[in-house]
Amino acid sequence: EAQVTQNPRYLITVTGKKLTVTCSQNMNHEYMSWYRQDPGLGLRQIYYSMNVEVTDKGDVPEGYKVSRKEKRNFPLILESPSPNQTSLYFCASRIGQMNTEAFFGQGTRLTVV
Amino acid sequence: AQSVTQLDSHVSVSEGTPVLLRCNYSSSYSPSLFWYVQHPNKGLQLLLKYTSAATLVKGINGFEAEFKKSETSFHLTKPSAHMSDAAEYFCVVSDMNTGNQFYFGTGTSLTVIP
Repeated sequence: EAQVTQNPRYLITVTGKKLTVTCSQNMNHEYMSWYRQDPGLGLRQIYYSMNVEVTDKGDVPEGYKVSRKEKRNFPLILESPSPNQTSLYFCASRIGQMNTEAFFGQGTRLTVV
Repeated sequence: AQSVTQLDSHVSVSEGTPVLLRCNYSSSYSPSLFWYVQHPNKGLQLLLKYTSAATLVKGINGFEAEFKKSETSFHLTKPSAHMSDAAEYFCVVSDMNTGNQFYFGTGTSLTVIP
């Protein structure tokens, strides 16, 4: 089954403790991205990657890192989480650019206390 | 700059009545437009997309949307609401200038009253 898989689904952590949210897709898509969803703001793009070893900032990149060492994986790293990063996070993948739809993971609900 | 405005943050309809969720966009180029649905505690699922072919686009679960360039609108409609349609709906735009990015509206929460 074609899918985007995120782990974990739920995470509670403390301020400053490094964490990684994993994302994997099995559709051989070149393009992957991370979003955060906050009430009243919709989804905002954090980082995206057009292919292996190619990443770029989205609209809200501060406090986040990503890497794309393999085509299928695109982990999101919070080196020193803060409470304002409490949010619902989605990973997505697409075949290519403009006209193609994105496939989304199930989401990771992160709480930073 | 690209942007999407969903004109209603909440819409309530009675079961069996029509649904209208409004979306206006701004784009410097010919846009691609999408509607996604998010059911509670679920990921986002594509309802339909417009990519410069027919202006009336049919999607899943009886939804459709019409691209109106003169009005810069892409409203989502359904003739008869079902209880299972209760969810959050997002309008999304991308274009040549932002081919690598989706821009999301802030979402419309649809409530269906039995």
